[in-house]
Amino acid sequence: GQQVMQIPQYQHVQEGEDFTTYCNSSTTLSNIQWYKQRPGGHPVFLIQLVKSGEVKKQKRLTFQFGEAKKNSSLHITATQTTDVGTYFCAGPGSGTYKYIFGTGTRLKVLA
Amino acid sequence: DTAVSQTPKYLVTQMGNDKSIKCEQNLGHDTMYWYKQDSKKFLKIMFSYNNKELIINETVPNRFSPKSPDKAHLNLHINSLELGDSAVYFCASRGGGNTGELFFGEGSRLTVL
Repeated sequence: GQQVMQIPQYQHVQEGEDFTTYCNSSTTLSNIQWYKQRPGGHPVFLIQLVKSGEVKKQKRLTFQFGEAKKNSSLHITATQTTDVGTYFCAGPGSGTYKYIFGTGTRLKVLA
Repeated sequence: DTAVSQTPKYLVTQMGNDKSIKCEQNLGHDTMYWYKQDSKKFLKIMFSYNNKELIINETVPNRFSPKSPDKAHLNLHINSLELGDSAVYFCASRGGGNTGELFFGEGSRLTVL
C-alpha cells in the first residue's frame, strides 16, 4: 500500500538554527498537507500544497512541493522554542477521503 | 466552543474489558475519522464515515466497531481490549472546499493493563 516516509525521525537543534524535514511518498500525490503536533497535543493543520513545484511561506516556515509531486519539505528558519513538536506531512491515499500521514519528525529546540 | 470534542480524555482499563470513546464535531462537516497514534507517534487511519456511511475501513481487528448515529458524531467501541490497544485515539473531521484540512480532537489516551 501507499507509504509516506519522513526524515529525519528526530532532530535536536540549538535555538536560532535552521531545521528541515523531508517527506517522501511512494505514489504521486494530488496534494500534500502539513500538520504540527505540540507535545501532549493534537495535530493542527498548517498548510496545503497542490501544484507541482509550489512554494509557500508562513513567517519563518517555508513549504515546498516537489516537481514530481511525490515529495515535499518543510524548512524552519531560525528556530524558536515554540517550534518544538512533531511535524507530519499527509497525503491522500486511494480516493479523496483517505489521508495517509507520514512517519513524522520530532523537533526539539535547545535554548 | 471546541470544534471536535472527544470523551473521555483518559481511559485506564484491564485487558478483556470493553470500552467506548465518543466524538462530536460542531463544524457541520460531513466526513469524520478515527486515527490511532502509537508510542512512536505514528498516526494510522482506522475508519472514516461520510454522512453516516462507512467509507474507509483499514485493516483493523473486528473488536473495533465505529458507529455514526448522525454526521456530527462518530463513536468507537472496542471489545475485549488487549495490551496492544494502548494508544492515543484521535477523532477528526474534514473540512470541505479546496483545502479539506483535518480538524483533530484533543485525543483519548487509552491504557490497557
